[in-house]
Amino acid sequence: EIVLTQSPATLSLSPGERATLSCRASQSVSSYLAWYQQKPGQAPRLLIHAASNRATGIPARFSGSGSGTDFTLTISSLEPEDFAVYYCQQRSSWPQITFGPGTKVDIK
Amino acid sequence: QVQLVESGGGVVQPGGSLRLSCAASGFTFSSYGMHWVRQAPGKGLEWVAFIRYDGSNEYYGDSVRGRFTISRDNSKNTLYLQMNSLRPEDTALYYCAKDLQKEFNSGWYGDFWGQGTLVTVSS
Repeated sequence: EIVLTQSPATLSLSPGERATLSCRASQSVSSYLAWYQQKPGQAPRLLIHAASNRATGIPARFSGSGSGTDFTLTISSLEPEDFAVYYCQQRSSWPQITFGPGTKVDIK
Repeated sequence: QVQLVESGGGVVQPGGSLRLSCAASGFTFSSYGMHWVRQAPGKGLEWVAFIRYDGSNEYYGDSVRGRFTISRDNSKNTLYLQMNSLRPEDTALYYCAKDLQKEFNSGWYGDFWGQGTLVTVSS
């Protein structure tokens, strides 16, 4: 099973700051990686797929990069609505799909 | 607009059964694979199962294989999850999610999600 590790567990930042979230895979997942945002009481929302492709309607301040085992989600300038939990997900090991444990971005 | 509405959750005793439903609208249901993903209270996301757009293939996570069955009725635009031999560790909010890719054999990513239905397994 491919294990995804996310760091940091919690990121405390102020609105307007840049957020850099990391997702590391236990073995290569090529570019088969997605990022989701989840706010309290809401369903997850797809932000990025195939490591760097923004999903429909996602603002340009969200960007994804990486391939193989190391991936990054960057939020260029945090808006108040961006404070949430972010999960990475891989599908390289299909028919198994795994998620990372999440990174919480909270207000400093 | 895409809408996914789950139902069928509730409280069930260990060893019991439950069937979840997910009513889909706003897209061509028969052209997309569908997922079930669950989230235990206060925990992260766990992929449960996927069914191909035409219902011809199903795939399961290790923790539910042999106990859960995913199915779909494309004439009713509805996805199902039959859950048998339920355990306390199956307690979670169960989401259905539409796959990003159209008419693919395998699962990729969930681009639209429902709001979930809560399953509690307890005596």
